[in-house]
Amino acid sequence: DTEVTQTPKHLVMGMTNKKSLKCEQHMGHRAMYWYKQKAKKPPELMFVYSYEKLSINESVPSRFSPECPNSSLLNLHLHALQPEDSALYLCASSQSLAGDAYEQYFGPGTRLTVT
Amino acid sequence: AQSVTQLGSHVSVSEGALVLLRCNYSSSVPPYLFWYVQYPNQGLQLLLKYTTGATLVKGINGFEAEFKKSETSFHLTKPSAHMSDAAEYFCAYKPGGYNKLIFGAGTRLAVHP
Repeated sequence: DTEVTQTPKHLVMGMTNKKSLKCEQHMGHRAMYWYKQKAKKPPELMFVYSYEKLSINESVPSRFSPECPNSSLLNLHLHALQPEDSALYLCASSQSLAGDAYEQYFGPGTRLTVT
Repeated sequence: AQSVTQLGSHVSVSEGALVLLRCNYSSSVPPYLFWYVQYPNQGLQLLLKYTTGATLVKGINGFEAEFKKSETSFHLTKPSAHMSDAAEYFCAYKPGGYNKLIFGAGTRLAVHP
C-alpha cells in the first residue's frame, strides 16, 4: 500500500475560522511533509517532520501550525488565514530523510479556499 | 544556489510521437533525481528516480530518463505519446546535505490527436 490520504478534499473557510487538515499514511514512513501549491506552480515546502519531530520549518507564518501526533498522522492547523493562503495543500511521506530512502509519496491534496 | 531548470513550460506533441521533457540541475555533487507527474486536481505521482547505479532509469507508464553527469541533465522521454500522458511534469532533485526536494517550474505536456 503506497497511499497517502488527506481529508478533507475541499475546504472553504473564513478569515476568522479555525480548521485543520489531516494526512495519514500506513507505509511505516518516518518522514512526513506539508507543501503548498498555487495554480501553475510547483509545490513549495512548508514543514518536514522526521520521527515525529519538526525538522524543517520553511519560515511559514504562525497562522499555520503543524502537528504530528504519531508516526502515521500529520495535521495542519489553520487559524486567521488570509485569502492569499488559498491553494492546494499537499501532504507527502518518505521512509526517512536518508538519501536512498528519500522517495516521497504524495497525497491527493486539500483544496483550500479562504474567503 | 541550488536550482532545477525545466526547459519549456509547455510542450505539445502528437499522439504516437516521441515525448522529450528537459531537466537540468545545478549541483557539484551527484544528487538524487526524480520526475513526478500531476494530473489536474490531483497530487504528485512518482514516475521514476535516480539515486545511484545505472544512469538509464525506467519508470512507470513507459517513461524513462537518463542521468548525464557531464551535462547535469536528467531528461524524461517516452517513445510514443498517449492522450492520457497529458499532464504537468515536475523534475526534482535532492542536493547532498539538504533534507528537501528542489522542484523545477514544471512542464505542461499536451497531446493532440
